[in-house]
Amino acid sequence: GIQVEQSPPDLILQEGANSTLRCNFSDSVNNLQWFHQNPWGQLINLFYIPSGTKQNGRLSATTVATERYSLLYISSSQTTDSGVYFCAVVSNAGKSTFGDGTTLTVKP
Amino acid sequence: NAGVTQTPKFHILKTGQSMTLQCAQDMNHGYMSWYRQDPGMGLRLIYYSAAAGTTDKEVPNGYNVSRLNTEDFPLRLVSAAPSQTSVYLCASSYGEGTEAFFGQGTRLTVV
Repeated sequence: GIQVEQSPPDLILQEGANSTLRCNFSDSVNNLQWFHQNPWGQLINLFYIPSGTKQNGRLSATTVATERYSLLYISSSQTTDSGVYFCAVVSNAGKSTFGDGTTLTVKP
Repeated sequence: NAGVTQTPKFHILKTGQSMTLQCAQDMNHGYMSWYRQDPGMGLRLIYYSAAAGTTDKEVPNGYNVSRLNTEDFPLRLVSAAPSQTSVYLCASSYGEGTEAFFGQGTRLTVV
């Protein structure tokens, strides 16, 4: 099946810093989503981005489908950005696969 | 608009007991799915349903589902085992491969 690798696995930032999270996938995909899992376990939708670039406030994402990667940018990080960020893809066969996540800690 | 609702939020089960985790969505989504999440790992797909009346599984036995209508997709643990201790998350989407929305999860412990 398709492999999804996220990097880095852990990231510690000072409040106000910028960061880039990466998601690599091993085959072509129909769908790619970025989620933020908050400390209570809720998965919050950030972006549905099979290709191209999207922005939402301090967050933006870019997926280059032909090169099989996606990037999530967080600017001017806040303590509330802390949590685990997941990348999830749906293969052409319809199977959904999640990466293992990036754990972000933003210190005040 | 409640989105995807899961109950219960927490439960402790004894080995060998059975239990049904509930999942309901009010977005008229055709596609629903169940995942489990183990510590330090991403989500792993267990079962999915492309529409009412259809289901398909991704992992071996120990679980069962039904999709009698569009809104509900309950997951049944037939005879619970400690290896099924996990957080279970339910998701729905308009169709296969479209944007998925998740419930808050059920944290299940099997002792």
